[in-house]
Amino acid sequence: AQSVAQPEDQVNVAEGNPLTVKCTYSVSGNPYLFWYVQYPNRGLQFLLKYITGDNLVKGSYGFEAEFNKSQTSFHLKKPSALVSDSALYFCAVRDIQDTGRRALTFGSGTRLQVQP
Amino acid sequence: NAGVMQNPRHLVRRRGQEARLRCSPMKGHSHVYWYRQLPEEGLKFMVYLQKENIIDESGMPKERFSAEFPKEGPSILRIQQVVRGDSAAYFCASSPGTLMADTQYFGPGTRLTVL
Repeated sequence: AQSVAQPEDQVNVAEGNPLTVKCTYSVSGNPYLFWYVQYPNRGLQFLLKYITGDNLVKGSYGFEAEFNKSQTSFHLKKPSALVSDSALYFCAVRDIQDTGRRALTFGSGTRLQVQP
Repeated sequence: NAGVMQNPRHLVRRRGQEARLRCSPMKGHSHVYWYRQLPEEGLKFMVYLQKENIIDESGMPKERFSAEFPKEGPSILRIQQVVRGDSAAYFCASSPGTLMADTQYFGPGTRLTVL
């Protein structure tokens, strides 16, 4: 079975400072990893994904994430936070070996609050 | 290119009524997924469909819930005899289906309230 943990319910950061939203995962094989962002009363917007290759993945709106296989982590980062980045962030995983199923398993979400 | 469309955006039903949620995938996408989000929780997978086929329904409750994706028209998630515990946001996602790691793109969701 696959699972995702987002250990922080909320992350507070000042505008202009770097931000990190943490994610760890568990799969029996190798993972596909995703980050999505959700604004109030909206659907999820895709930010970035890791499939294979370079451990540092760059995505939309200046976000990036680093895949660390030994630590089974996929933390989301941004060098300089904006107030408009305030939203709910979800990490999700799929097991590569689970070819018949494409279901994403989501973490519980981390609320990012960027203060002006 | 229009995104994933869902309607209605808000749906209110009384206990015992039926709820029908519709999802039109992005143009060119042949795979549809339904997820449910309870308040302050992450999304939980329900069902994965391709045209006229249910591929994976491992997340669907055994009773009262059904889904279809006909050859023509939107995908439908149907909940019969709704109960208060069905109140949630239901999200549809679609993907091209051409790659094993293709990205799922989400619609705005339908917020179901059961009175």
